[in-house]
Amino acid sequence: KAGVTQTPRYLIKTRGQQVTLSCSPISGHRSVSWYQQTPGQGLQFLFEYFSETQRNKGNFPGRFSGRQFSNSRSEMNVSTLELGDSALYLCASSSAGTTNEKLFFGSGTQLSVL
Amino acid sequence: QKEVEQNSGPLSVPEGAIASLNCTYSDRGSQSFFWYRQYSGKSPELIMFIYSNGDKEDGRFTAQLNKASQYVSLLIRDSQPSDSATYLCAVRVAGGFKTIFGAGTRLFVKA
Repeated sequence: KAGVTQTPRYLIKTRGQQVTLSCSPISGHRSVSWYQQTPGQGLQFLFEYFSETQRNKGNFPGRFSGRQFSNSRSEMNVSTLELGDSALYLCASSSAGTTNEKLFFGSGTQLSVL
Repeated sequence: QKEVEQNSGPLSVPEGAIASLNCTYSDRGSQSFFWYRQYSGKSPELIMFIYSNGDKEDGRFTAQLNKASQYVSLLIRDSQPSDSATYLCAVRVAGGFKTIFGAGTRLFVKA
């Protein structure tokens, strides 16, 4: 069974640009969560989606947005990039996003903002 | 107060020793508790989960949960150099639809 696939693996952007990251969950998984990981802050929760609905959002500015498609694939978008957005963005999938469910992570997208 | 707190370490133990990693959480409504291991340059991977008070053992790993004290721990017996990694404690709140991670504890196992 294929794992969680994130694309692209690396991105270099400049301040003010926007970026879109993609995540394909494990086949059959309907829930996708996004996290930002930085050395200083650890894993910070961005959003969680289930069946195309955003069920929760972390404490990030409105520049961070996401969506989920009917095939459970998800994208997140960051507009007007700032230097502080440089981070590893991780996507995780789970079967249905219930309380006891485990997260399976993709390899992440390393975003560098210059 | 952070929602999930861990000692950042580093925690250094000799090969063969027991490594003890601790975590506290703030939301009493938390229902599920997880330990993830993250090697440098890699993604987190689940190694243990626990839902009820008490101990849960899986091979060399034991997870302990005390909901009254809002405390979760992970014991690694017979620690090996390959256990050297960052260990992330994660907590999921019932109905909250989010899993919150601690900042992680770096573990070094010296050969």
